[in-house]
Parts: sequence; C-alpha cells; structure tokens
Amino acid sequence: AQSVAQPEDQVNVAEGNPLTVKCTYSVSGNPYLFWYVQYPNRGLQFLLKYITGDNLVKGSYGFEAEFNKSQTSFHLKKPSALVSDSALYFCAVRDGAGGFKTIFGAGTRLFVKA
Amino acid sequence: NAGVTQTPKFQVLKTGQSMTLQCAQDMNHEYMSWYRQDPGMGLRLIHYSVGAGITDQGEVPNGYNVSRSTTEDFPLRLLSAAPSQTSVYFCASSSDRGNYGYTFGSGTRLTVV
Repeated sequence: AQSVAQPEDQVNVAEGNPLTVKCTYSVSGNPYLFWYVQYPNRGLQFLLKYITGDNLVKGSYGFEAEFNKSQTSFHLKKPSALVSDSALYFCAVRDGAGGFKTIFGAGTRLFVKA
Repeated sequence: NAGVTQTPKFQVLKTGQSMTLQCAQDMNHEYMSWYRQDPGMGLRLIHYSVGAGITDQGEVPNGYNVSRSTTEDFPLRLLSAAPSQTSVYFCASSSDRGNYGYTFGSGTRLTVV
C-alpha cells in the first residue's frame, strides 16, 4: 500500500528566505507525486506534480519540487518566501502501476514571518 | 463557474441520524473522490469512483456509502452518524486518474453531537 510522510508539523521561515517542506513516500510501483496548498477555510489547490521526466518540477506561485528516487523524497521548495505563502501544504502520492487512489500526507503548516 | 460544488457547507447531526453530503462537478471528470480532513491526520480517502456505476473503498470507508449514477454527481451517505464522524469532508474530481491534479470542493463541516 502507498503512504506519504510529512515529518514536520510546522515550518517557520522569514520572508525573503528560501523554504523547504519535506515529503517522503512509499509505493510499490512508479510514484506519481503531487503538492497541494490549503488556505484557511478553503479547499485544496493543486500546486505541482511529478509523473516522469526531469527531477525538478516547477509549479504555481514560484514553487518547485525535487524528486529523489533513491531517497524516496519529493521536497517542496521556493527560493524566496512570501508572507502570503503561509498556509497548509499537503504532499500526495498515487501508485503509477495502475492504482486509482491518491493518498495524502498529514500536512505541514508553513508560517512565513515578515 | 466550473468546478466542484458541495452542499451543505455546514451541518450538525445528532448521533444515529443519517444524511447525504452532495457533490457535483461540471467538468466531465471521470474520477471523483471523497476525503475527510481531521487535525494532525491530513486527508484520508473514504471512497472513490472511476466512472459512472463504478465505486470502490478508500482508507476509511466504514460508516459511509456512495453511489455514482451519473458522471456529474457523487453523493456521500452517512448511514448512522457517530461523533467520530465529526470532520470536514472534501469532494474532489479529476480527469486521467488525477495525473493533472484534483479539483477540490470547498468542503462540508460536519458536527455530530
């Protein structure tokens, strides 16, 4: 069965500094990996995905993520954080070997201080 | 606007009552899912559907039923509400198994007393 781990409940960063939100995964087949963001009292919004190809993928709002197969990780990054990036971030995985289920991690709250 | 519509937005139930959470999408998406969101546990998959007439269980299906009679609608039924079902429920839809990301509804906040 596939699973996702987000080891940090909260990440604190100063505005203008780079940010990283960590994610590791486990699947039996090839991983299809996703990041979503949730602002207060809203549904989740899709940020970016990795299906195949370049290990560094770029998404919305200046976010990017790096796929590392040997470490089974898919960390979310941004070179310069904004206060408006403060939100709840979810990593998700689907088993590319024909699976239909997308499984989400527990979420990491990002707090960007001005 | 195109998207996923969930109703109601808020609901309070008494233990043992039943109800249906409605979900509709107008994007002609084949794939639809129901998740519940609980603090510290993220989103957990309840049931999903890969097309009209086809549904399957997710991670936490007990106490919930679904059906998919049309492409557009995917209602979630609580058979006999329990306090443990107090949660925020999200419906999501996608084309191509979610490879292009899911579109989420705005959620239903359910309290069971």
